[in-house]
Amino acid sequence: DVVLTQTPPTSSATIGQSVSISCRSSQSLLDSDGNTYLYWYLQRPSQSPQLLIYLVSKLGSGVPNRFSGSGSGTDFTLKISGVEAEDLGVYYCVQGTHDPLTFGSGTKLEIK
Amino acid sequence: QIQLVQSGPELKKPGESVKISCKASGYTFTDYAMHWVKQVPGKGLKWMGWINTYTGKPTYADDFKGRFVFSLEASASTANLQISNLKNEDTANVFCARGDNYWWYFDFWGPGTMVTVSS
Repeated sequence: DVVLTQTPPTSSATIGQSVSISCRSSQSLLDSDGNTYLYWYLQRPSQSPQLLIYLVSKLGSGVPNRFSGSGSGTDFTLKISGVEAEDLGVYYCVQGTHDPLTFGSGTKLEIK
Repeated sequence: QIQLVQSGPELKKPGESVKISCKASGYTFTDYAMHWVKQVPGKGLKWMGWINTYTGKPTYADDFKGRFVFSLEASASTANLQISNLKNEDTANVFCARGDNYWWYFDFWGPGTMVTVSS
């Protein structure tokens, strides 16, 4: 199975600060169809996960544009430009290129 | 609006079975896949598999083959997950999630059903 390694495991930020989360894959996530099936989800405390980013950099419906995704191959980054209080929770990268779909171990974002 | 409503928490003994339901509303049920995701309390997320809501064909991740069955009541826009011969390690919150058929993202999630297995 593809292993997704997220760093850092925990991040602490003040309101307005920019934060980046890294996701490194054990295999290239570039599919033979030319797409890269890499997603980012946020799970707020005691809530279900919600989609932030799909196909590396496409913003999910209704997701604020302070969230952005980048990367290719095996290295990906989620950036939050100007953290807000509602952004606290655990961020997961997910890959769907290789079967089975796998989740990263998560990055917990705390607000100072 | 689009909603996935899951059945309530379950407390079971080892060896028993449980059936979790996920009722969809606000969209055409057969236009999207339904995925199942497991979360042990305090831990990360694990994909269990998915069911093609148009054909009814289930696909299971390797760790969820044998005791797990995905099924549909398409007329009721409902997806079900049955787990048989429950083990302590099945204790988890189980989410259903609507899956886009092209880009494979999960854009709507149910609230989760907590399954507790304890003697």
